Amino acid sequence: DAKTTQPNSMESNEEEPVHLPCNHSTISGTDYIHWYRQLPSQGPEYVIHGLTSNVNNRMASLAIAEDRKSSTLILHRATLRDAAVYYCILRVLNNAGNMLTFGGGTRLMVKP
Amino acid sequence: DSGVTQTPKHLITATGQRVTLRCSPRSGDLSVYWYQQSLDQGLQFLIQYYNGEERAKGNILERFSAQQFPDLHSELNLSSLELGDSALYFCASSYSTQGRADTQYFGPGTRLTVL
Repeated sequence: DAKTTQPNSMESNEEEPVHLPCNHSTISGTDYIHWYRQLPSQGPEYVIHGLTSNVNNRMASLAIAEDRKSSTLILHRATLRDAAVYYCILRVLNNAGNMLTFGGGTRLMVKP
Repeated sequence: DSGVTQTPKHLITATGQRVTLRCSPRSGDLSVYWYQQSLDQGLQFLIQYYNGEERAKGNILERFSAQQFPDLHSELNLSSLELGDSALYFCASSYSTQGRADTQYFGPGTRLTVL
């Protein structure tokens, strides 16, 4: 899978918006951008994905740059429960399988 | 609750032993994936099955093997265990096998400790 770059950690205050950046400068035109998160002592969980247009769901918003070389996951009002490691993953067209390739992710800390 | 179940939650065993981890996918999902999460290697893909057939292999050791049964549950067998095999093992499931928009649903994991 194409490589993504994320900050190791970020801090946020509770009830404030959080913008988690991801750089993917080698993205190809058919790669999807996915975000997963892993809460402490739990398995990863799907957050959101997109291809070209910005996306919203009940958990978050995904803003994709026009050139698609970067994206930002937006949590509109961070809660203590949003403290987790957030992974930005590129899903490529791969006939060999459909696995997720996790990088180091961004550890989000939320302060009360 | 993702709908994916894994048993056991915790497993403590000795070096050289063999263990079996079990995973039941979400109802209707045909693909099962196994991932290993250790402190030094992070989350790594091991192997994928789709409707009973092996679909893709990742960094899976020869001492490890897996299978998916007709009822779609999967087992990961780890043998000749070493201290370095201590890790969290996650199972995930999805409906399809090649969808780039496909979502994977993860189980709660099995924590393996090799003493």
